[in-house]
Amino acid sequence: KAGVTQTPRYLIKTRGQQVTLSCSPISGHRSVSWYQQTPGQGLQFLFEYFSETQRNKGNFPGRFSGRQFSNSRSEMNVSTLELGDSALYLCASSLIPTGGDQPQHFGDGTRLSIL
Amino acid sequence: QKEVEQDPGPLSVPEGAIVSLNCTYSNSAFQYFMWYRQYSRKGPELLMYTYSSGNKEDGRFTAQVDKSSKYISLFIRDSQPSDSATYLCAMSTTGNQFYFGTGTSLTVIP
Repeated sequence: KAGVTQTPRYLIKTRGQQVTLSCSPISGHRSVSWYQQTPGQGLQFLFEYFSETQRNKGNFPGRFSGRQFSNSRSEMNVSTLELGDSALYLCASSLIPTGGDQPQHFGDGTRLSIL
Repeated sequence: QKEVEQDPGPLSVPEGAIVSLNCTYSNSAFQYFMWYRQYSRKGPELLMYTYSSGNKEDGRFTAQVDKSSKYISLFIRDSQPSDSATYLCAMSTTGNQFYFGTGTSLTVIP
């Protein structure tokens, strides 16, 4: 069974640009969550989507947005990139919404570097 | 105060040692507790998943939850060089997001 797939694996952008990251969950999983991971802050929750609806949102500015498609694939967009957005962006999927009796399974992330 | 606190280490032990990794938390409503292992340049991999208090064992790994002390632990017996990684604890309440610790870096020396 294929795991969570994130593309691209690496991305280099400059300040002010925008970026779109993609996530394909494990087959059958309908919940997708996005996290930002940095050395100092650890994993910070961005948002969760379930059945194409945003279910939970973390404390990030509106420059960070996402969406989920009918096949459960999800995209995350960051506009007006800042140097501080350099991080590993992780996607995790689960069968049902988080906080229940189903754990999350992670992809290997997209490493975003802002110059 | 962070929801979840985890000592970042680094922790260095000889091969064969017993490793103890710990997290404390502040939200008494947390019911689901997880441990993830993350190798360099990879995503977190689920190791253990427990509900409420008690112990859970899986091979060389044992997870303990003490809700009265708001304290969870992961024990690794007979540690191997392949266990060298960053270990993340995570927890959640019913219907809500997961909260993660910042991770403990572990090196097992052959």
